[in-house]
Amino acid sequence: RKEVEQDPGPFNVPEGATVAFNCTYSNSASQSFFWYRQDCRKEPKLLMSVYSSGNEDGRFTAQLNRASQYISLLIRDSKLSDSATYLCVVRRGNTPLVFGKGTRLSVIA
Amino acid sequence: SQTIHQWPATLVQPVGSPLSLECTVEGTSNPNLYWYRQAAGRGLQLLFYSVGIGQISSEVPQNLSASRPQDRQFILSSKKLLLSDSGFYLCAWTSLGQVGEQYFGPGTRLTVT
Repeated sequence: RKEVEQDPGPFNVPEGATVAFNCTYSNSASQSFFWYRQDCRKEPKLLMSVYSSGNEDGRFTAQLNRASQYISLLIRDSKLSDSATYLCVVRRGNTPLVFGKGTRLSVIA
Repeated sequence: SQTIHQWPATLVQPVGSPLSLECTVEGTSNPNLYWYRQAAGRGLQLLFYSVGIGQISSEVPQNLSASRPQDRQFILSSKKLLLSDSGFYLCAWTSLGQVGEQYFGPGTRLTVT
């Protein structure tokens, strides 16, 4: 079983829609959680950290469920510019980050 | 501010040829450095990471090697490229104590023909 699993998509949604991605992780010792965004043929960039209490950044909301070992990302009022691949990332201790394979989102006009 | 440089941006090499990709970081000291590869349509694969000069950890056995001759310089090499080495190579860094926020370079797109 992979340490971080995501639905690869693609998710094709119209502008203005709300879309949610889930991610599950297998190692209960994981301590920190993040969402990265990767545009086509570009490098990944940190989108947001995921805190135990859940956190929001504008149209983006991230949630963590430690008991079920899953992380979610909710995007409200989708924009064309949100089209990208969203990578779920976990960390345990001082080991390197573990990246999921990503979920591809296409926002359609 | 910190910046990370990678070159070249694109590279086409024949099978069996050597490879050297360089990554340098500016504006920080003693970073953790990483090399990743992303094959077409695939996820990020961690190849090597380094927590200091001369300290290299290899994640995946293959015909690649890495070196860190200076604090902010990380080099990925191969003596003989394989077709399967084609991909998008990304260098990244984190600072001590902030290993969650990882910054990637612009990447090198390597095609082995």
